[in-house]
Amino acid sequence: DAGVIQSPRHEVTEMGQEVTLRCKPISGHNSLFWYRQTMMRGLELLIYFNNNVPIDDSGMPEDRFSAKMPNASFSTLKIQPSEPRDSAVYFCASSRLGGEGSPLHFGNGTRLTVT
Amino acid sequence: AQSVTQPDIHITVSEGASLELRCNYSYGATPYLFWYVQSPGQGLQLLLKYFSGDTLVQGIKGFEAEFKRSQSSFNLRKPSVHWSDAAEYFCAVGATGNYGGSQGNLIFGKGTKLSVKP
Repeated sequence: DAGVIQSPRHEVTEMGQEVTLRCKPISGHNSLFWYRQTMMRGLELLIYFNNNVPIDDSGMPEDRFSAKMPNASFSTLKIQPSEPRDSAVYFCASSRLGGEGSPLHFGNGTRLTVT
Repeated sequence: AQSVTQPDIHITVSEGASLELRCNYSYGATPYLFWYVQSPGQGLQLLLKYFSGDTLVQGIKGFEAEFKRSQSSFNLRKPSVHWSDAAEYFCAVGATGNYGGSQGNLIFGKGTKLSVKP
């Protein structure tokens, strides 16, 4: 089991640039979650998918943020255009849908710095 | 709406001493509760979980937690702390939707950072 794989581990970009974060969930997991972690706000859920379908995107801060899950093994989180306040660690997590309270398995995160 | 409160932002204990990290939740029904640990630069790792049944649950790395419905608490404990336990600990509750069904996602507390003195 390779775990949840995120890339890149670190991303530094200039304000206004497009940023794409990538996630490969654990094989067999059919729920995928994107969280953002900051000192001020802690861990915030941005969006999650069940069976590749977006279920709740109410946590996506603005239209600048978008997420896709074209298949069961890949998801992207895109920020366009990026702003300094988007600087944070972005985590992807996956779980096996079907039982209430299924634990989430987290990737190691992408640390995004927008200058 | 569900919420989780971890009242202690930072705790320091001596190696070998006992540890208790506090967690209080707000939830209308029987909650699904979790403790996660995060080491610097890493993702969150599941320590233990409570769904139902025995209110004292055992986890990895010698941790345990006790669910107390009357106090809306799910405190994490360890009888003897090791230097490698220094990390940030997060309590979480399983979220439910508007109609009460599980949404699958978790709501996290703000975390408690644990430092261990030699």
